[in-house]
Amino acid sequence: QSALTQPPSASGSPGQSVTISCTGTSSDVGGSNSVSWYQQHPGKAPKLMIYEVSKRPSGVPARFSGSKSGNTASLTVSGLQADDEADYYCTSYGGSNNLLFGGGTKLTVL
Amino acid sequence: QVQLVESGGGVVQPGRSLRLSCAASGFTFSSFAMHWVRQAPGKGPEWVALIAYDGINKYYVDSVKGRFTISRDNSKDTLYLQMNSLTSDDTAVYYCARVFSSGWFPDYWGQGTLVTVSS
Repeated sequence: QSALTQPPSASGSPGQSVTISCTGTSSDVGGSNSVSWYQQHPGKAPKLMIYEVSKRPSGVPARFSGSKSGNTASLTVSGLQADDEADYYCTSYGGSNNLLFGGGTKLTVL
Repeated sequence: QVQLVESGGGVVQPGRSLRLSCAASGFTFSSFAMHWVRQAPGKGPEWVALIAYDGINKYYVDSVKGRFTISRDNSKDTLYLQMNSLTSDDTAVYYCARVFSSGWFPDYWGQGTLVTVSS
């Protein structure tokens, strides 16, 4: 199966909101609530930011939110801060005992 | 706190083998399924394999089936990835990651170990 589709880049000024999309198919994103989002700073391991479409782990700011419509999941970062600048990846259960990742979106805080 | 520490990476020639280890601490290792996920330089992560909490069920991405074997030793709180017939396409940072209590997604990741396949 192909990776999930994300825009390669996104940007926003401090204090603004940015939304990153993640498009799959009815076999993965559309057919599962097991969609999660990760933040990765250069040289670091990914950090879980959103799981099961819209749930936040403890310690993740409420500025990060997730949603899904059909085969597309979205991550919204509100009140952008400098430290939000990172790569963001979505994942979804692939439907056949596998896990799919998106290609990643580089978020730039202008 | 949850800690995952990978080891065993390095430079290896094409066609050779390598075994990665992941030492877990801070949680009941034997109660959680575990992933191996890799990330090639400049690329997004790619799921490699999952092993159930008891080591019975194992799943692999198609590109490593028949070459890689995931295993675990719950008495040692350690996860393994045996990699055989390595090719340049296997060059990546390899992460072990804990599976969230319900579902397939990883919640905690190690810092990774770099595997470079080169002659």
